[in-house]
Amino acid sequence: QKEVEQNSGPLSVPEGAIASLNCTYSDRGSQSFFWYRQYSGKSPELIMFIYSNGDKEDGRFTAQLNKASQYVSLLIRDSQPSDSATYLCAVLRNQFYFGTGTSLTVIP
Amino acid sequence: NAGVMQNPRHLVRRRGQEARLRCSPMKGHSHVYWYRQLPEEGLKFMVYLQKENIIDESGMPKERFSAEFPKEGPSILRIQQVVRGDSAAYFCASSPFKNTDTQYFGPGTRLTVL
Repeated sequence: QKEVEQNSGPLSVPEGAIASLNCTYSDRGSQSFFWYRQYSGKSPELIMFIYSNGDKEDGRFTAQLNKASQYVSLLIRDSQPSDSATYLCAVLRNQFYFGTGTSLTVIP
Repeated sequence: NAGVMQNPRHLVRRRGQEARLRCSPMKGHSHVYWYRQLPEEGLKFMVYLQKENIIDESGMPKERFSAEFPKEGPSILRIQQVVRGDSAAYFCASSPFKNTDTQYFGPGTRLTVL
């Protein structure tokens, strides 16, 4: 079983819509949860991190964590074409474990 | 404040040669992490180093791969006798504290083995 699982996509949403990205993790000992964005050929950049159950909002981004279900999600409101990228979910236990990423395309 | 720097950005090697990848962490960061990203796969942790010490190398292949982070100079990931399967993007990240909230990634080195 993989440490972190994501739907590879591709996920397509129209401009202005809400994009919903999902991630599950296998180990209940995971402590912190991160979302990174990676443009093609570029390095990952941190979007958000979350430690506690519930929602955490930052601008157009909302991270949601449900430890009981071992589930973390990222919502992107008012999606823009510049949001088109691969989104990597990562969990921190003794080291970082990354998912394979979900490819998002925002259609103008 | 310069970000994490990696060089070279692109490296081409023939099978059997050695590859040396360099990483200079952000100023003030003493923790360095190396990751490998294969096509269609996620980032895989390889090794975590602090100055002059390897803290966790659980993700490193047992043979041909080594890493160091000397007191002076960049961290180096060394791959001996490269094979085609080593072709990947290798990313370095740094943080000011161990496994802190934020790891800052460098631009990566894309290794191609012919």
